[in-house]
Amino acid sequence: EPEVTQTPSHQVTQMGQEVILRCVPISNHLYFYWYRQILGQKVEFLVSFYNNEISEKSEIFDDQFSVERPDGSNFTLKIRSTKLEDSAMYFCASTIGRNTEAFFGQGTRLTVV
Amino acid sequence: TQLLEQSPQFLSIQEGENLTVYCNSSSVFSSLQWYRQEPGEGPVLLVTVVTGGEVKKLKRLTFQFGDARKDSSLHITAAQPGDTGLYLCAGESHNTDKLIFGTGTRLQVFP
Repeated sequence: EPEVTQTPSHQVTQMGQEVILRCVPISNHLYFYWYRQILGQKVEFLVSFYNNEISEKSEIFDDQFSVERPDGSNFTLKIRSTKLEDSAMYFCASTIGRNTEAFFGQGTRLTVV
Repeated sequence: TQLLEQSPQFLSIQEGENLTVYCNSSSVFSSLQWYRQEPGEGPVLLVTVVTGGEVKKLKRLTFQFGDARKDSSLHITAAQPGDTGLYLCAGESHNTDKLIFGTGTRLQVFP
């Protein structure tokens, strides 16, 4: 069964460092997303990506964040200078079309110390 | 800002009991999805409801979308320990790509 895969599963980084979270969406999907879930809080939308550009982003997704699809399979989230409050589970998701079922990866737990 | 409130926040029941989880909003959604999330994993889609008043059944789980497409419920019949997990509703609107997630209901079913 096709699935969304994320690496690494857990990343510990020092405050101020750059991190790149990686995702391989389902191969025939066209829309890609990043969400985050701070411990004990709800899942929050960060950004959606379609046709090699950002289609929508939340106020959380400030200048410290960027996304890229460097090749035909990977979808990455970069945080330029991490802050303590960036500690969260980051989930990648993909959909085959707009407003269709979203498939989520298992997440990357980011811990900023 | 679109918000989805789920109730109850926590639910602990014995195996065999029935339960209902509610997902409410003041906003209208074009569709509503229910997910289940295990610790350390991503949300897994259970069902999508699209039409106001729609009822969908998935074995012992019954999902309903409110007539006005502002609320939804999940009813579990004869709960089992395997139903334990975090249940999330998530709404979608026509003019946006994103999912708005609810606050979540953590269910614990004891044998």
